[in-house]
Amino acid sequence: EAGVTQSPTHLIKTRGQQATLRCSPISGHTSVYWYQQALGLGLQFLLWYDEGEERNRGNFPPRFSGRQFPNYSSELNVNALELEDSALYLCASSERNLLAALPDNEQFFGPGTRLTVL
Amino acid sequence: GENVEQHPSTLSVQEGDSAVIKCTYSDSASNYFPWYKQELGKGPQLIIDIRSNVGEKKDQRIAVTLNKTAKHFSLHITETQPEDSAVYFCAARRRVGDMRFGAGTRLTVKP
Repeated sequence: EAGVTQSPTHLIKTRGQQATLRCSPISGHTSVYWYQQALGLGLQFLLWYDEGEERNRGNFPPRFSGRQFPNYSSELNVNALELEDSALYLCASSERNLLAALPDNEQFFGPGTRLTVL
Repeated sequence: GENVEQHPSTLSVQEGDSAVIKCTYSDSASNYFPWYKQELGKGPQLIIDIRSNVGEKKDQRIAVTLNKTAKHFSLHITETQPEDSAVYFCAARRRVGDMRFGAGTRLTVKP
């Protein structure tokens, strides 16, 4: 079974440009999560999508946005890129995870997209 | 919001020794605590998790303990091997879909 895939592997942009990152979840998974992993800062939660809707977002400005398509793949868009946006962007997927009373479903991570802003 | 602190940031042990990584969290409503291992060039992989109604969980050489009163949890790796070398992240979930991670511990196991 294929794991979570992300594209591109590397992306180089300049300040002010826009970046689009893509993620394909594991087959059967409906939830997609995006994280930013900047050097030395661990993983920072960005966005959570399930069934095509944004369910929650982390403490990031509105220029970080995304969407989830009917096939559950997802896109992360970063507008007006800044130097500090340089990081590894990780996507994870899980089975549907809507009820707080149920155990959390394991998140499976992709290999990430390394975004460099010059 | 939830704040997760992880210590130490780096840890070096001799092969066969034990390694312990500790995390604290701030939100008493957090109810799920996974640990991830990240090898170079790969995404994090879940290695063990514990829920707030359990105090300890063990899986072969790895174990996790949770102290809800003190709001801290720890990862224990016994009989370490060179292939255990990686970056380890703890995390705490306070609401569905919202996982907060520690800053990571780089573990080096010397042969």
